[in-house]
Amino acid sequence: AQKITQTQPGMFVQEKEAVTLDCTYDTSDPSYGLFWYKQPSSGEMIFLIYQGSYDQQNATEGRYSLNFQKARKSANLVISASQLGDSAMYFCAMREPANSGNTPLVFGKGTRLSVIA
Amino acid sequence: DAGVIQSPRHEVTEMGQEVTLRCKPISGHNSLFWYRQTMMRGLELLIYFNNNVPIDDSGMPEDRFSAKMPNASFSTLKIQPSEPRDSAVYFCASRTRLAGGTTTQYFGPGTRLTVL
Repeated sequence: AQKITQTQPGMFVQEKEAVTLDCTYDTSDPSYGLFWYKQPSSGEMIFLIYQGSYDQQNATEGRYSLNFQKARKSANLVISASQLGDSAMYFCAMREPANSGNTPLVFGKGTRLSVIA
Repeated sequence: DAGVIQSPRHEVTEMGQEVTLRCKPISGHNSLFWYRQTMMRGLELLIYFNNNVPIDDSGMPEDRFSAKMPNASFSTLKIQPSEPRDSAVYFCASRTRLAGGTTTQYFGPGTRLTVL
């Protein structure tokens, strides 16, 4: 079964607008961590933001915020004020348990975001 | 800090040849992960090490693939013999600590492998 589901293969957004990239996850572990990575056309994987299952508040990092809805098992990435440089693939990932740095991440299939001028 | 270093960045080889991919993790990180990325299968974990010891190699596709981590600062992923279906981008990642105390994985730039 898919642990991480990203249902949007591709998204378009107008420059300066906000965009939400969807991510749902499946786990029975009460402790887990959710991550978002960006992969531009150059190919590198860039860490964006992290949300722990026990965190009380939604994570924010600059223009990135995570809309964490635990009951719905969703962890959507919100990018505010989109810029042309935001055009990239975006991957959602999960780790169980949250604080086990020695266990691997499980990735979704990704969403390709295109920002239009 | 130089980050995770991978070499070569690009490799083109012919079917049947041996391929060795190299990774130098971030100094002090005790976990190292090898991933493969293809259009069809996305990002897949191949193998990971803790303190230089392989913990889970269930993602290694078959016996043609092998990985070693002889010391904390170096790992190799070897494919022998290589086949066209091995063509992919291979990433190495090591663990890094975030400001809040948790950890995430910091990826190297990847090796794009093409097997003709």
